[in-house]
Amino acid sequence: QKEVEQNSGPLSVPEGAIASLNCTYSDRGSQSFFWYRQYSGKSPELIMFIYSNGDKEDGRFTAQLNKASQYVSLLIRDSQPSDSATYLCAVNQINAGGTSYGKLTFGQGTILTVHP
Amino acid sequence: ETGVTQTPRHLVMGMTNKKSLKCEQHLGHNAMYWYKQSAKKPLELMFVYSLEERVENNSVPSRFSPECPNSSHLFLHLHTLQPEDSALYLCASSQDRVRLVHTTDTQYFGPGTRLTVL
Repeated sequence: QKEVEQNSGPLSVPEGAIASLNCTYSDRGSQSFFWYRQYSGKSPELIMFIYSNGDKEDGRFTAQLNKASQYVSLLIRDSQPSDSATYLCAVNQINAGGTSYGKLTFGQGTILTVHP
Repeated sequence: ETGVTQTPRHLVMGMTNKKSLKCEQHLGHNAMYWYKQSAKKPLELMFVYSLEERVENNSVPSRFSPECPNSSHLFLHLHTLQPEDSALYLCASSQDRVRLVHTTDTQYFGPGTRLTVL
């Protein structure tokens, strides 16, 4: 079983619509969750992180976390063609001592295409 | 520009060659990481260094040899690689390594080195 799962897509939405990206994870002890955006041929860049249940908003982006369901999502409002990229979900790993070594497990990524 | 640079950006090497990848961070961070990104696969963590000490070796073959001479520089020495080692190699850094639960530790990535092994 994959530790962090994402639908690889591609997810295609029209310009101006809401894009919804989903991620599930298997380690119940995980505490920090990250969304990275990666354009083709480029390195990942951080969009948001979240560690409390509920919603966290930053501009057009909203991250949602539900630890009971082990589910984290990213909503992109008013999607633009420039949002077309692969979106990576990352979850921190907890070692046996209960600390996080800054070790992230990444999902495979969801390819998002926003068409005019 | 994230403050993390990598050289070279592209590298083609034969299986008998020896080469090195270089990473430098200008963020004052204490932890540095090497990742491998292959097509259709998730990012794979290879090595973690904190304050120049290797704290994680994620079952990486010995043909990959990391070196961290100081907290700003990280190298990945390559020798006798295989064609399946062709991938994008990403370096990242973060403020610190060990964090208690409930805190976050954002990693910032360099642009990567696209490696092709013939």
